[in-house]
Amino acid sequence: GQNIDQPTEMTATEGAIVQINCTYQTSGFNGLFWYQQHAGEAPTFLSYNVLDGLEEKGRFSSFLSRSKGYSYLLLKELQMKDSASYLCAGMDSNYQLIWGAGTKLIIKP
Amino acid sequence: GAVVSQHPSWVICKSGTSVKIECRSLDFQATTMFWYRQFPKQSLMLMATSNEGSKATYEQGVEKDKFLINHASLTLSTLTVTSAHPEDSSFYICSAPRGGRDYNEQFFGPGTRLTVL
Repeated sequence: GQNIDQPTEMTATEGAIVQINCTYQTSGFNGLFWYQQHAGEAPTFLSYNVLDGLEEKGRFSSFLSRSKGYSYLLLKELQMKDSASYLCAGMDSNYQLIWGAGTKLIIKP
Repeated sequence: GAVVSQHPSWVICKSGTSVKIECRSLDFQATTMFWYRQFPKQSLMLMATSNEGSKATYEQGVEKDKFLINHASLTLSTLTVTSAHPEDSSFYICSAPRGGRDYNEQFFGPGTRLTVL
């Protein structure tokens, strides 16, 4: 079956760094996505990885290891506005997104 | 960036009535659009894939006669919740991949919050 696993909740301190892990099992693989979702709002796109390695985009970076079925989202210089849920999603061979349940990130001052 | 809009943003209706939600891609053509439902504190659940010019593809457990989908043009897909009941109250979100369904980024609409009394 297809499955996406990520922690339910994480807590970090303002200004610090946090890494949110995601493991995936999909039927075929066409990329791994990370989305940010604030409460009551639709998700917004953060990153897309289809090749192994680290993709850096400002304060956010995303890493992929296809052989391990593993990805992480790295958030640096945390700000209070980064408090949100972070959704990991894998795209299968039919180009359908398989969603994780999301990781609720709580930022403390 | 690409923009996807939804209308209405929120709607309250009585049990038994039908509600139509529109999803529009504003600056690109979308041959495929996806409809999701999200209950509080849960992840997105794909309901159906809307295909321009053909029938929608529904996920297992989603009643196609209750959730009517029409993809009438390359920029508009509609979801109609027929004979709505309180258990249909949810956050409905559409998304559209730019450049065809195999493009690597999907743009989400802002969502429609449906409350059925």
